Amino acid sequence: EPEVTQTPSHQVTQMGQEVILRCVPISNHLYFYWYRQILGQKVEFLVSFYNNEISEKSEIFDDQFSVERPDGSNFTLKIRSTKLEDSAMYFCASSTGVYSNQPQHFGDGTRLSIL
Amino acid sequence: QKEVEQNSGPLSVPEGAIASLNCTYSDRGSQSFFWYRQYSGKSPELIMSIYSNGDKEDGRFTAQLNKASQYVSLLIRDSQPSDSATYLCAVKLDGNQFYFGTGTSLTVIP
Repeated sequence: EPEVTQTPSHQVTQMGQEVILRCVPISNHLYFYWYRQILGQKVEFLVSFYNNEISEKSEIFDDQFSVERPDGSNFTLKIRSTKLEDSAMYFCASSTGVYSNQPQHFGDGTRLSIL
Repeated sequence: QKEVEQNSGPLSVPEGAIASLNCTYSDRGSQSFFWYRQYSGKSPELIMSIYSNGDKEDGRFTAQLNKASQYVSLLIRDSQPSDSATYLCAVKLDGNQFYFGTGTSLTVIP
């Protein structure tokens, strides 16, 4: 079964550095998402992306964050000037559409640790 | 404020029993509802989706939706130790955002 793949599985970065998290969505999916989950807390929506632009974003997704689809397969999340509180598991998800019968499928996540 | 509430548990049931997981949501505009299973340190895995009032069955899993009361539940019949995980309720409004609950931790005791 096709799946969403994310790299790296674990990223350790010094505070203040930039980090790029990478995702390869399922090939026929058109909608892409990033979520984060701080340890012990709920999964939180960050951003959705369709047709090469952001379609929705949450309050968490401020100027520190950006997303990009640099080619036909990758979908990246960039975090500039990382802070300690950015430490979390970051999940990429994708879906064929936005209707109820088109659920989001999640990758295994990237654990981001900011030192 | 769009809230999705779940009893955090832990919920413990013996093997073979029925596990019942509940979720309430605050936004009446919510259109579709999903149950995800998350093993520790792993990604959410879709179990069921439901968007019409009533019951929806898939194998050992039954999702129940009551939009008037703003709750959705998941029943797991013949619970197995492999069902031990955190179960996340997710609600989608008319956009693309999923709003997740904090999850209910389920332990199935052999």
